[in-house]
Amino acid sequence: GIQVEQSPPDLILQEGANSTLRCNFSDSVNNLQWFHQNPWGQLINLFYIPSGTKQNGRLSATTVATERYSLLYISSSQTTDSGVYFCAASSGGSYIPTFGRGTSLIVHP
Amino acid sequence: DVKVTQSSRYLVKRTGEKVFLECVQDMDHENMFWYRQDPGLGLRLIYFSYDVKMKEKGDIPEGYSVSREKKERFSLILESASTNQTSMYLCASSLTGTVTDTQYFGPGTRLTVL
Repeated sequence: GIQVEQSPPDLILQEGANSTLRCNFSDSVNNLQWFHQNPWGQLINLFYIPSGTKQNGRLSATTVATERYSLLYISSSQTTDSGVYFCAASSGGSYIPTFGRGTSLIVHP
Repeated sequence: DVKVTQSSRYLVKRTGEKVFLECVQDMDHENMFWYRQDPGLGLRLIYFSYDVKMKEKGDIPEGYSVSREKKERFSLILESASTNQTSMYLCASSLTGTVTDTQYFGPGTRLTVL
């Protein structure tokens, strides 16, 4: 099946800093999602982005499908951005996503 | 908004007990999923269901079973709990079986098996 790798595994920022999280995948994708898991465990879907660029407030995501990677940008980070960010992808005819191991982000005030 | 609820946020059980984790979604979604999450390993799929009474094994089904008698409810069963099943369990649902689906997650159940 498809392999999904995320980097960096851990990230520590000061409030106000910008960051880029990366997701590499091993096959062409028909579905790619970014999720944020807050410190209490709740996962929230941030983006559905198998290709192209999307923006939602301070967050944006870009997927370059031909080069098999996706980037999540966080600008002007806030303490509420802390948590774990997951990338999940599926390929072929499957709608079952494979999750990466996540990037753990801590934003200090 | 889609709402996915799980029966317990925290659960402590003893080795050998039969454990039921329940998940309910309120948006008439066809697909439901059970994952476990362990530090450094991400989310791993245990079982999923694409219709009532239908189920498919995921990547790590050993030691688990599932039940889906009604569309809105998907139960995960640990027949005889073991300490290596101590984990965070996450339920998710999605609307249909198309590749453009997005998943919606419940708040999770943190299970400790003593």
